[in-house]
Amino acid sequence: DGGITQSPKYLFRKEGQNVTLSCEQNLNHDAMYWYRQDPGQGLRLIYYSQIVNDFQKGDIAEGYSVSREKKESFPLTVTSAQKNPTAFYLCASTPGGGLETQYFGPGTRLLVL
Amino acid sequence: GNSVTQMEGPVTLSEEAFLTINCTYTATGYPSLFWYVQYPGEGLQLLLKATKADDKGSNKGFEATYRKETTSFHLEKGSVQVSDSAVYFCALNNFGNEKLTFGTGTRLTIIP
Repeated sequence: DGGITQSPKYLFRKEGQNVTLSCEQNLNHDAMYWYRQDPGQGLRLIYYSQIVNDFQKGDIAEGYSVSREKKESFPLTVTSAQKNPTAFYLCASTPGGGLETQYFGPGTRLLVL
Repeated sequence: GNSVTQMEGPVTLSEEAFLTINCTYTATGYPSLFWYVQYPGEGLQLLLKATKADDKGSNKGFEATYRKETTSFHLEKGSVQVSDSAVYFCALNNFGNEKLTFGTGTRLTIIP
């Protein structure tokens, strides 16, 4: 079964700690995206990558970092610089990064202890 | 820039009622328009899409027509079911700005 997996489903962060959210896809898609979802605010783009070893900032990149060392993997690190990290994080991918449909993973909920 | 405005929620309807969720957009050129659905605790799934004016997207009894003259893409369903309870997002992208722009979402609850 092709799809996008995100892990863990729930993640807890302590103050001053960096945490990494995993996103893996076996769809052979070139482009991958990270979104943040807050109640009543829809989805906001954090980072996106259209090819391996290249990525661009989205609308709310501050306090986050990413890497794209492999086509199938696009991990997101929430750094200690992100002062309000509590949110639902969604990973998505498209075949070529153009106007195609985006396919989403099941999401990771990040909570601050 | 691109923007999407959705009907404020939450929306509560009885089973078998008619559903409309309004969506209007601002974009240059000819955007592609999407409706995504999010069930509780899950990611988003594509519900339907339309890529040019007057196109009608449809899926699972839901429909939306791309109206360029009114810059709208309203979601409709003739008879809703309890299983349709979810959050619905309108979204768009276009050439030169391929990133998806989302509306704020509309929470729909269907009561038996």
